[in-house]
Amino acid sequence: GAGVSQSPSNKVTEKGKDVELRCDPISGHTALYWYRQSLGQGLEFLIYFQGNSAPDKSGLPSDRFSAERTGGSVSTLTIQRTQQEDSAVYLCASSLGQDEETQYFGPGTRLLVL
Amino acid sequence: SQKIEQNSEALNIQEGKTATLTCNYTNYSPAYLQWYRQDPGRGPVFLLLIRENEKEKRKERLKVTFDTTLKQSLFHITASQPADSATYLCALETGRRALTFGSGTRLQVQP
Repeated sequence: GAGVSQSPSNKVTEKGKDVELRCDPISGHTALYWYRQSLGQGLEFLIYFQGNSAPDKSGLPSDRFSAERTGGSVSTLTIQRTQQEDSAVYLCASSLGQDEETQYFGPGTRLLVL
Repeated sequence: SQKIEQNSEALNIQEGKTATLTCNYTNYSPAYLQWYRQDPGRGPVFLLLIRENEKEKRKERLKVTFDTTLKQSLFHITASQPADSATYLCALETGRRALTFGSGTRLQVQP
């Protein structure tokens, strides 16, 4: 595809429900990142995938958060038992997997937990 | 503690003037630093990368400086235009592949 796509673009859920957010990276990009951006804040790193290597999960805020990347392409971020403080924009980015490189971001999924 | 600081207040300037945005950091030694632009409702878009051994980098109307002694990067937009209005984020290499981002500075260019 032309760029990174994410779905859904908006998600409203009730506290305690599980949500799944999807990211389709740019074709051929081996690296994929998930970030979270709260209102007026910078991007908070969540998790990073590189090829077949074990993901860097050091940014996940709690064990309610998990992510997988199937077939080295599409990634799903899952938030279990959502809390109101999970409300944020969840951004996905991909890159070629080399040093010093540009990250290409998707438009984000806006999550609102009521 | 480690932190990245960008002016949280919006920067308002007149069209045609030079906009200067600041990124200060503490307790990091980044090998490189990147600047991104973010428009409302969109993901960030890469603008420039500058390495620790580079003092200055230019791209069209954009100029970035990197002072590793002051632990500061300055981002300049010359001959600013209303279309330059956006939030600008600096991002540091901090020893992992994922970047560490500042909170951004919103620039508003008045016609």
